[in-house]
Amino acid sequence: SAVISQKPSRDICQRGTSLTIQCQVDSQVTMMFWYRQQPGQSLTLIATANQGSEATYESGFVIDKFPISRPNLTFSTLTVSNMSPEDSSIYLCSVVRLAGSYNEQFFGPGTRLTVL
Amino acid sequence: KNQVEQSPQSLIILEGKNCTLQCNYTVSPFSNLRWYKQDTGRGPVSLTIMTFSENTKSNGRYTATLDADTKQSSLHITASQLSDSASYICVVRSGAGSYQLTFGKGTKLSVIP
Repeated sequence: SAVISQKPSRDICQRGTSLTIQCQVDSQVTMMFWYRQQPGQSLTLIATANQGSEATYESGFVIDKFPISRPNLTFSTLTVSNMSPEDSSIYLCSVVRLAGSYNEQFFGPGTRLTVL
Repeated sequence: KNQVEQSPQSLIILEGKNCTLQCNYTVSPFSNLRWYKQDTGRGPVSLTIMTFSENTKSNGRYTATLDADTKQSSLHITASQLSDSASYICVVRSGAGSYQLTFGKGTKLSVIP
């Protein structure tokens, strides 16, 4: 299995500020994603973090609000910019790695963000 | 539109009892179906992955079934333990081109002594 760590594990922030979340994987992976999980909801894909190029964002998510960096194959950051209470959520980093005969998707522990 | 519906939304059972969680999907074309367990405050952890040709797959006390004709899956938990208390999420991967997953909202299971 892939070992994924995220920092911070949780934070409480004031509206209008920004928070950068870090994701570190224990070995190189090609596919890395950022998800959001709002209270009582399913996971929603924010973007695919591409190494060496701009991230690919899903409908409803834009780079100005959620800038993403991916400087190498083991590390990525997601920034939540100009936060509002509606951004309160769990943010999850995820990677895909071949496990046996399947492409297995692994998730980090998540970052619980509360915006006041 | 690809959708995954799970039922029940929440469930409370006594320790030692069995339970079955349901998942219906409309994802097309279908590639595989996964069940994840998500403990409170943690990221989801994979329990099983099932492809079109697999009807049943077990992982310890967890047994998943898949009926690709009716587009239904179930997760059966045997002899439940307190540590089974978690959200169980059904996820379906589309076989169309890019890597695309559709997530259910999950079933929140509470096992009480």
